Amino acid sequence: DAKTTQPPSMDCAEGRAANLPCNHSTISGNEYVYWYRQIHSQGPQYIIHGLKNNETNEMASLIITEDRKSSTLILPHATLRDTAVYYCIVRVALETGANSKLTFGKGITLSVRP
Amino acid sequence: GAGVSQSPRYKVAKRGQDVALRCDPISGHVSLFWYQQALGQGPEFLTYFQNEAQLDKSGLPSDRFFAERPEGSVSTLKIQRTQQEDSAVYLCASSQGQVHNSPLHFGNGTRLTVT
Repeated sequence: DAKTTQPPSMDCAEGRAANLPCNHSTISGNEYVYWYRQIHSQGPQYIIHGLKNNETNEMASLIITEDRKSSTLILPHATLRDTAVYYCIVRVALETGANSKLTFGKGITLSVRP
Repeated sequence: GAGVSQSPRYKVAKRGQDVALRCDPISGHVSLFWYQQALGQGPEFLTYFQNEAQLDKSGLPSDRFFAERPEGSVSTLKIQRTQQEDSAVYLCASSQGQVHNSPLHFGNGTRLTVT
């Protein structure tokens, strides 16, 4: 699987947008970009994923550059409960229909301040 | 609906004891994954099941680690002769598996402490 690079940490003010960057310069055409987050003492929580188009759901938006070498996860109105480790993961899509594993890095620690 | 359930939530074992960790996946989910997470690190892949078949066990760190899913639903991760380096959080995840690339949904893990 291609690897991702994320800054180790960032912070933002409550109520403001949090923009979390991720580099995945060696991504292949059949690899998706996934974002998960992990709040202390809980398991990772799925946020969103995409291939090349921008995606939005009730939790966040995912912006993928045209060359697919980087992406940004946007939390539009960060709250204190969004404080967590956020993982950007590149995951291969298998043609067989089976599931491929997720390979986690160290992630980025987002701290939302009051 | 019910998510992935893991038990026990915490387990303390003396060095050399055997332990068994249980995972109840989301009903109907075909795929099941086990991960190990050391303190301050991201989760590391251990093994993967598609129904009852163990398709990938490349992440199991030694032959003391064994996983099974005999009826394609509940899974058990067994660690024999536990060592201090086995102390970690063990996470289970499941996914539909009928659509490729379906997201994994994780449980809250079992924290194993080997003394």
